[in-house]
Amino acid sequence: GDSVTQMEGPVTLSEEAFLTINCTYTATGYPSLFWYVQYPGEGLQLLLKATKADDKGSNKGFEATYRKETTSFHLEKGSVQVSDSAVYFCALSDMGTYKYIFGTGTRLKVLA
Amino acid sequence: EAGVTQFPSHSVIEKGQTVTLRCDPISGHDNLYWYRRVMGKEIKFLLHFVKESKQDESGMPNNRFLAERTGGTYSTLKVQPAELEDSGVYFCASSQGLAGQETQYFGPGTRLLVL
Repeated sequence: GDSVTQMEGPVTLSEEAFLTINCTYTATGYPSLFWYVQYPGEGLQLLLKATKADDKGSNKGFEATYRKETTSFHLEKGSVQVSDSAVYFCALSDMGTYKYIFGTGTRLKVLA
Repeated sequence: EAGVTQFPSHSVIEKGQTVTLRCDPISGHDNLYWYRRVMGKEIKFLLHFVKESKQDESGMPNNRFLAERTGGTYSTLKVQPAELEDSGVYFCASSQGLAGQETQYFGPGTRLLVL
């Protein structure tokens, strides 16, 4: 079945460092791909998405490109801030049933 | 526009008791989903409503879990009787479209602790 694999956390970075959180997927067909973020004490918020191969999603300085050839959707940000500290979830949508399949989440901690 | 809301935000109960979680989706969203994250693992799908009908309940762990969506509006998820392994965060999400490219909007979650 479909699955999503994320890099293990936690990831600890200094402010203004470059961020990459790896995400790879296994799916039949061509799912849409998403990154959600959960800030401390809050719910899940959509960060960005891509619906077809080579699409790039971007928001708040974060970017991710839908790579069909490597089945990846890595999240990147050029310069992280303390306020980016959160748990990041990669997800895909199952084309047949519409449910989301999530990765395990990656906790990011940014130090001032 | 109000987002997805969930009640309660936290619940602590003893093993064997009953708990009912509620979700109010975004107005006009026909699709409503329940998910669960247990002990820091991945968020897992439980079930999907389209209006008042259960479209997919393949993720429901066992018959101690009962979900309803009265009149196609809010939904409840009842756990009876609760077991220790039911502890986790229960998320509700809603969406408008039917295609696989839809965006699901999530609520803040209900944190359930079974002692």
